[in-house]
Formats: sequence, structure tokens, C-alpha cells
Amino acid sequence: DAGVIQSPRHEVTEMGQEVTLRCKPISGHNSLFWYRQTMMRGLELLIYFNNNVPIDDSGMPEDRFSAKMPNASFSTLKIQPSEPRDSAVYFCASSLPVEGPETFFGQGTRLTVV
Amino acid sequence: AQTVTQSQPEMSVQEAETVTLSCTYDTSESDYYLFWYKQPPSRQMILVIRQEAYKQQNATENRFSVNFQKAAKSFSLKISDSQLGDAAMYFCAYLNRDDKIIFGKGTRLHILP
Repeated sequence: DAGVIQSPRHEVTEMGQEVTLRCKPISGHNSLFWYRQTMMRGLELLIYFNNNVPIDDSGMPEDRFSAKMPNASFSTLKIQPSEPRDSAVYFCASSLPVEGPETFFGQGTRLTVV
Repeated sequence: AQTVTQSQPEMSVQEAETVTLSCTYDTSESDYYLFWYKQPPSRQMILVIRQEAYKQQNATENRFSVNFQKAAKSFSLKISDSQLGDAAMYFCAYLNRDDKIIFGKGTRLHILP
């Protein structure tokens, strides 16, 4: 398996534009997580899906952020409109708890909003 | 490419005892950071301890300390006087100066009363 795949790897956008980050979890994994990493706040959980259903979205900073998981092999994190303070590295991770505790992280998307 | 390896998917320790979680990494860089994160059932990530590669002194935070062996590329976490609240997933992570961060797959720590 190629692991958790995120795209794009880098995104630079202007303030006010819509940004969509994509994630393909490892095939068969039923838990998916979106995290945001900044040096100031470390790694923050934004949202957690289980079997495509959002279980906990309390970490989503505000209404400008939305996440979907239309099927087991794809998830998106959308920011509309984007702001400079959204600049961070966004990670997607997946796991299959019944098989073991390991969580597999994607390589992240570095978002820069100018 | 950098990699982070946590070779112990699960570990158990008796309450009040000491446990060490292992982490090795591979990099050709000389300047970087290493972290241990704790993930409780809420799935939130809590920074436990941080080590800067240029500092030879091992970082310590209360009951948590690391054994940083730069030449061996090893970064183990020692938890002393284990408490029930320490039960969680623990992730080792590597961060370079370009803000590229890589995580290990995690170690689940069980605390036995």
C-alpha cells in the first residue's frame, strides 16, 4: 500500500480564496483524522471520521472550515474563505483500530495563505 | 528521506513503575527537532516533550524524560512513576528546519493498576 496520500503537497493561495485539501486513507482503514500543525500550537485535531461519519469536529476552528468523507477512500478539508492565519501544515491520518493501534500519517499539505 | 520508526505497537507497565518507549529515526540533516506527543482517547495530540538536536542535554518534563542519542539516531521516552492517566498512544515525531514533520506510527501504552 502506498500509505496515506495527501494532495497537494504545497498550496499557496491568496486571502479570501477557497482551498481544498485532499486525502486518500490506506485501503481498508475505517478511521480518518485531519490535524493542523503549527509551531505555536503544535498538532491540533480538527476532525475525526469513523466509517465515513464525522465523530468529533470540535476542533474545527470556525465555520470557514468544513470536512467531508463521501466514501471510504476519500476525504476533503475545505477552507472558505482562507485567511493568512490558516497557514500551517495539514495532516491526514488513518487507522484500523481492530487490527492494531498504529496510526498512519500522510506527508502533509503545507498551506500558505498570502 | 527522513523516517521515524516506533518498533513497539503496544506496551504495558505496572502503575508506579518506569517504562521506556523507543523511537529511531533516519536523516542526513544535522539540525532538527524531535517530539513526543501523547494522544488520549479524545484523539487530541498533546505535546509531551521536545528536544533540539543541537542540544546534547536530554530534555526533561517532570516525570517524562528522553534519552537522545544523536549518533545512533535514537530518541526514547522514559516515563517514571507511571500513572493511570499516562495510558494513551504516544507518537514520536521529527521536524526539520524547513518545517517538514514526520510521525512514527505510535505506541499504545497500557497502565496496569
